[in-house]
Amino acid sequence: SAVISQKPSRDICQRGTSLTIQCQVDSQVTMMFWYRQQPGQSLTLIATANQGSEATYESGFVIDKFPISRPNLTFSTLTVSNMSPEDSSIYLCSVKQYTGAPYGYTFGSGTRLTVV
Amino acid sequence: QQQVKQSPQSLIVQKGGISIINCAYENTAFDYFPWYQQFPGKGPALLIAIRPDVSEKKEGRFTISFNKSAKQFSLHIMDSQPGDSATYFCAASMGSGYSTLTFGKGTMLLVSP
Repeated sequence: SAVISQKPSRDICQRGTSLTIQCQVDSQVTMMFWYRQQPGQSLTLIATANQGSEATYESGFVIDKFPISRPNLTFSTLTVSNMSPEDSSIYLCSVKQYTGAPYGYTFGSGTRLTVV
Repeated sequence: QQQVKQSPQSLIVQKGGISIINCAYENTAFDYFPWYQQFPGKGPALLIAIRPDVSEKKEGRFTISFNKSAKQFSLHIMDSQPGDSATYFCAASMGSGYSTLTFGKGTMLLVSP
């Protein structure tokens, strides 16, 4: 299965600043996804990032707050802008595999963000 | 609105017992139903998945039971072990094309020694 590396694994940031999270995949993938998991909660999809096109954002998430880059088929970044304590969450990168095992969606280990 | 409802929220099972987690969905277009296991500090890991053309799928101690008419599916963990203590998420998607996963709210499982 695809191996996903996320950086940083955790960070503590001051409110009003921005953090860019990197997601590197060991194989070329068409679709990459960014999720947010608030403490003790389920996963909520932020956006879908396809190479060569603008990211598609889910309801409640906007590009100005969560800009995404997808420069090639193995890499993506998510920026959390103008952070507030409410942005404290785990941010997860995910890819979808259409072939091989396991078929389906693979997740990185996440970036644990604390905003103070 | 697409929803996947998961229960129970938390579960305590004795070592060697059977853990059962249930999910129900609304969107009949869903055709791919995975279960994820998440340990603290880690991302979710795909455990087992099923498509609606079968009623049951077993992989080792983990079994998914699927009831298409009731729009329900469940995860059974046989001979539960302390190492199974984790949070489990059910999910659903339209498996082909550019669909995304809709997750349940998760079940925190504790297997006591």
